[in-house]
Amino acid sequence: QSVLTQPPSVSGAPGQRVTISCTGSTSDMGAGYDVHWYQHVPGRAPKLLIYGNNIRPSGVPDRFSGAKSGTSASLAISGLQAEDEAVYYCQSFDTSLTARVFGGGTKLTVL
Amino acid sequence: QVQLVESGGAVVQPGRSLRLSCGASGFTLGSYAMHWVRQAPGKGLEWVAVIWYDGSKTYYLDSVKGRFVISRDNFKNTLYLQMNSLRAEDTGVYYCAREGATGYDPEVLDYWGQGTLVTVSS
Repeated sequence: QSVLTQPPSVSGAPGQRVTISCTGSTSDMGAGYDVHWYQHVPGRAPKLLIYGNNIRPSGVPDRFSGAKSGTSASLAISGLQAEDEAVYYCQSFDTSLTARVFGGGTKLTVL
Repeated sequence: QVQLVESGGAVVQPGRSLRLSCGASGFTLGSYAMHWVRQAPGKGLEWVAVIWYDGSKTYYLDSVKGRFVISRDNFKNTLYLQMNSLRAEDTGVYYCAREGATGYDPEVLDYWGQGTLVTVSS
């Protein structure tokens, strides 16, 4: 069971907007730690998508956006494209475990 | 461009040892902390270990403490993970990842390899 809780799956039609939630606790995001998001297409290297809660690395389209408030965070993807099909993970740090922690991952299906 | 290539994955019996390697290119390995992250079959990502840029500090997931050792050879541009007393629950794809320098806490893992598969089974 992951420390950070994500929905197992979300789906949307091309062009639509979806949001993926990431729920933590006072030991991680609530303690002030930042949240990062990764995109993982099975069989390929995971890719950094959002860092520092809401910052896109160079090359990541502005269709992707992140937010964090208190003990939760979210990733929004607008203008869905077929290439967005992947598993998305949130990541932070847990002070009680003294370890980086990931969410369980959310599989995005573009209908 | 930055490239990380893992190797060394294999099928191994419980209780045996295995050493994974991660070759780095396109950047100066000795300037970055490095991590290992794993993914069990059908599960999500799980952080395993980190080593400081100069090897001076290491930290581990509780379940691998005392069994796994992360190390590096900056001259050979290679990161290692020595895995001893392997258990069935250590089965999965192991990724090496570079820690970025964004100033955020925790730091990001900005580049990852494609992973190497470790299967612990009798």
